[in-house]
Amino acid sequence: AQSVTQLGSHVSVSEGALVLLRCNYSSSVPPYLFWYVQYPNQGLQLLLKYTTGATLVKGINGFEAEFKKSETSFHLTKPSAHMSDAAEYFCAVTPYSSASKIIFGSGTRLSIRP
Amino acid sequence: DVKVTQSSRYLVKRTGEKVFLECVQDMDHENMFWYRQDPGLGLRLIYFSYDVKMKEKGDIPEGYSVSREKKERFSLILESASTNQTSMYLCASSPIPGRRLFNYGYTFGSGTRLTVV
Repeated sequence: AQSVTQLGSHVSVSEGALVLLRCNYSSSVPPYLFWYVQYPNQGLQLLLKYTTGATLVKGINGFEAEFKKSETSFHLTKPSAHMSDAAEYFCAVTPYSSASKIIFGSGTRLSIRP
Repeated sequence: DVKVTQSSRYLVKRTGEKVFLECVQDMDHENMFWYRQDPGLGLRLIYFSYDVKMKEKGDIPEGYSVSREKKERFSLILESASTNQTSMYLCASSPIPGRRLFNYGYTFGSGTRLTVV
């Protein structure tokens, strides 16, 4: 069975500081991994995804994530936070062998301090 | 631009009413999903469908039903709305990945915020 754990339901950083949102997954088979972002009163938008190949994945808005199999992690980072990054972020996993139903983490709300 | 369209952004209904939430996608996706989102609980899967006239229960199907008569449309039905069904409802669709792994992922609608009074 697959599962996702996001560490920290709320993260606050200063504008210009590093953003680090943590995600650990559990999967009995090689996973596909995703990060989604949700701005207030909107649906979820795909930030980036890992399927196969390069373990460092670059997404939209300057975000990137690194798949670390040994640590079962897929942390999301951005070197310099911007006020517009304030949103809720969801990590998600689905098994490679039957990529259909995606399991979502409980979400991390990112706040940016001026 | 590809889209998943949910018919209403905000909806207010009375307890006991039958409520229909509509979702339409224009990407010819095989899979469609209904989630509800509540603070602190993340996204919880209500129902999903892999094909026309096919449905499977998700994690919290009680009090809900679905209909998929056409590939592009997936409807969520609250048979008798209750106040504990007040929530944000999100529809999503995805292709079968097959060999085109790079295409895989969910596309979400903008959500319907339902209030049951």
